[in-house]
Amino acid sequence: DTAVSQTPKYLVTQMGNDKSIKCEQNLGHDTMYWYKQDSKKFLKIMFSYNNKELIINETVPNRFSPKSPDKAHLNLHINSLELGDSAVYFCASSQGGARWEDTEAFFGQGTRLTVV
Amino acid sequence: DQQVKQNSPSLSVQEGRISILNCDYTNSMFDYFLWYKKYPAEGPTFLISISSIKDKNEDGRFTVFLNKSAKHLSLHIVPSQPGDSAVYFCAARHSGNTPLVFGKGTRLSVIA
Repeated sequence: DTAVSQTPKYLVTQMGNDKSIKCEQNLGHDTMYWYKQDSKKFLKIMFSYNNKELIINETVPNRFSPKSPDKAHLNLHINSLELGDSAVYFCASSQGGARWEDTEAFFGQGTRLTVV
Repeated sequence: DQQVKQNSPSLSVQEGRISILNCDYTNSMFDYFLWYKKYPAEGPTFLISISSIKDKNEDGRFTVFLNKSAKHLSLHIVPSQPGDSAVYFCAARHSGNTPLVFGKGTRLSVIA
């Protein structure tokens, strides 16, 4: 039973389209994240949600809109896709909070988005 | 601004020998440090971590060392096994509900 699952695993789409990536975690965690791994292989935080509320938005274009219907789900919707959006997008979750024990984040398998 | 740096993009080690992966950080507010392992087409998986109040944490074949004054940490794998071949990411965060900041990763190849 996958702890953090995201769909689809691969997504190929044309420029200008709108697409969504879904993420679900069954760990009972309070905090969920979206990370982007670009062509330079950096894993960069995009968004962080805690109990369905946005707590971090790291200078991501407003074409990217996360939606958290409940604390187990954090979906990523992308409008007007551009070539530069091609990357691997990882969803993750953690218990959140300041405690050391809450630090570890669990990742989904990633969604490879290719914009052509 | 790279707050977490892994300056070696790749490392090759023979099976049975020690692998040493290095990581430097610039943000003195970081309190927690983690290593993640990533296989192709999979998400990163947690490997081992260390709090800033410690200088060493060991878990089986894996040991992480932290040198706060140098803002440097390293991951030692001994003995290295072919199944350890993967990309290793160093990550850090400071206290509070903050996300992990990752390095660029080091690709480890363990040669049989």
